[in-house]
Amino acid sequence: QKEVEQNSGPLSVPEGAIASLNCTYSDRGSQSFFWYRQYSGKSPELIMFIYSNGDKEDGRFTAQLNKASQYVSLLIRDSQPSDSATYLCAVNRQGSSNTGKLIFGQGTTLQVKP
Amino acid sequence: DTAVSQTPKYLVTQMGNDKSIKCEQNLGHDTMYWYKQDSKKFLKIMFSYNNKELIINETVPNRFSPKSPDKAHLNLHINSLELGDSAVYFCASSSKNIQYFGAGTRLSVL
Repeated sequence: QKEVEQNSGPLSVPEGAIASLNCTYSDRGSQSFFWYRQYSGKSPELIMFIYSNGDKEDGRFTAQLNKASQYVSLLIRDSQPSDSATYLCAVNRQGSSNTGKLIFGQGTTLQVKP
Repeated sequence: DTAVSQTPKYLVTQMGNDKSIKCEQNLGHDTMYWYKQDSKKFLKIMFSYNNKELIINETVPNRFSPKSPDKAHLNLHINSLELGDSAVYFCASSSKNIQYFGAGTRLSVL
């Protein structure tokens, strides 16, 4: 079992729709959770991080965390063609104040069609 | 005014050669990392340094040797390059546990 699992996609949604990206993780000791966006040929760029169960909203993005189910998701509202990219879920055993290693999923490719 | 910068951006070399990749960050972060992203886009940590001290050393061939002359720099030297070393190598730095990535070095071993 992979430590962090994502459906590789591609996930295709029409412009203006909600894109839902999902991620599960195996280590129950994980404390911090991240979503990175990576455009083709570019570096990963942090979009959201979440530490507590529940929802965290930032603009069109909402991260959702359920530690009991070991599940974290990213919702993108009003999807735009510019959101087309690979979304990487990453998990860290350390809390917010400490360094540690990020374990990445294989990424989900999102395609937003005009 | 790049926060995490890597050089070179592209590196094409023959099998058996030795090469180095350099990384510098101007964010004042204490911790720096090297990641490898393979052809399937899977991003995996290789090494991490905190204030010049090695703190994470994943299962990486000992042909790979990181060096941190100061906390703003982390270099990666690779000896006896092999075909399987072809990948994109990303440097990152972090404040607490938020990591910021450099633009990457695309290494092609022929």
